[in-house]
Amino acid sequence: GENVEQHPSTLSVQEGDSAVIKCTYSDSASNYFPWYKQELGKRPQLIIDIRSNVGEKKDQRIAVTLNKTAKHFSLHITETQPEDSAVYFCAATSNAGGTSYGKLTFGQGTILTVHP
Amino acid sequence: GAGVSQSPSNKVTEKGKDVELRCDPISGHTALYWYRQSLGQGLEFLIYFQGNSAPDKSGLPSDRFSAERTGGSVSTLTIQRTQQEDSAVYLCASSFSGRHSNQPQHFGDGTRLSIL
Repeated sequence: GENVEQHPSTLSVQEGDSAVIKCTYSDSASNYFPWYKQELGKRPQLIIDIRSNVGEKKDQRIAVTLNKTAKHFSLHITETQPEDSAVYFCAATSNAGGTSYGKLTFGQGTILTVHP
Repeated sequence: GAGVSQSPSNKVTEKGKDVELRCDPISGHTALYWYRQSLGQGLEFLIYFQGNSAPDKSGLPSDRFSAERTGGSVSTLTIQRTQQEDSAVYLCASSFSGRHSNQPQHFGDGTRLSIL
């Protein structure tokens, strides 16, 4: 089955700096890669996702890049703000066998702290 | 419309008791997923329902765990003879059916289960 590794486990940055979180996956059939932000005691919130037919996607201060050959994808947050502080999870899933199959395999999470 | 709704939000019970957790997905979403999140950990897939198809139960950790989805909408996750290691946050997510591509999954607030 799919295995997703996420690094770093903790990341501390100053307000205004950039933050980068990296994930690798094992299943070459994986074709959908969402990122979730989870604040303490809250539900995971989808912040951005990317499909395997594109290499990069951007939404304001957030961008995700995907390297299918190397089987890794990264989240980039620019001009970080204190409200970006949260746990970020990457995930991967596939439509293996041509069936509708959305089971997500998650990374272990990155605790991002943005200091004012 | 309303997001994914889960109940109860918190459940404390004694070891050996049975518990039922409920999930009401977003209206129109035919896919429903249960995940488990242990303290400080990532999310672990439990079970997946897609329309009227047989559910994918591959993530259920033991035969004490079962789930139903009645009428293609509300789902109930049942844990029999609870053990202390069952303590976790149980998260439900739903999405549109994506027969040819994965669809974003949206999470509920979860049920925090504590086994004494």
